[in-house]
Amino acid sequence: EIVLTQSPGPLSLSPGERATLSCRASQSVSSGALAWYQQRPGQAPRLLIYGASSRAAGIPDRFSGSGSGTDFTLTISRLEPEDFAVYYCQHYDMSGVTFGGGTKVEIK
Amino acid sequence: QVQLVESGGGVVRPGTSLRLSCAASDFSISNFGIHWVRQAPGKGLEWVAVIWFDGRNRYYADSMKGRFSISRDISNNTVYLQMTSLRAEDTAVYFCARSLIVPVGLTTTRSLDYWGLGTLVTVSS
Repeated sequence: EIVLTQSPGPLSLSPGERATLSCRASQSVSSGALAWYQQRPGQAPRLLIYGASSRAAGIPDRFSGSGSGTDFTLTISRLEPEDFAVYYCQHYDMSGVTFGGGTKVEIK
Repeated sequence: QVQLVESGGGVVRPGTSLRLSCAASDFSISNFGIHWVRQAPGKGLEWVAVIWFDGRNRYYADSMKGRFSISRDISNNTVYLQMTSLRAEDTAVYFCARSLIVPVGLTTTRSLDYWGLGTLVTVSS
């Protein structure tokens, strides 16, 4: 079973700053199976990035994903007020889905 | 527009059963896999189960095997989650979500592109 470990936790930043979030898999995974989600308080998760680096429909280009093998990164180039939320990485293979524990990006 | 609407949550006693529904609109569940994902209060996301687009393949998280069962009704475009022997630790918001499986270059990508708003299940005596 793949285990996803997210870091850091939490991340305290100011609007306009750059956020770099990490997701590490317990073993090498296909980039195609790696996605990132944003969840604001009281809302459902929203797909941001699929296939490790492809932005989902309607997602601003300040969000980008990268990585391969066991190490993946979500970068928010300049934080907007609405970006302060919890972010989850996800691995999805033929038999199911695993989520990381989440990284909270909070206002400093 | 694509929409998923969960229903059936509520307050139940430990040991009882409950069936959740996920009604899909603007797409056919015969073409997409549907997942259930839950979130306990103040906690992270936990995957529960999936039923593939063909309805034949169903998979469950290990901790829920034998207690939870996923099914669907094509005529109603609805997916169900039957939960039995409920425990206090099953208390959570239960979301349903649609599978997005698309090729990107030489890779097949897998993610969950549309989510419902969730339904709250509280297991308490």
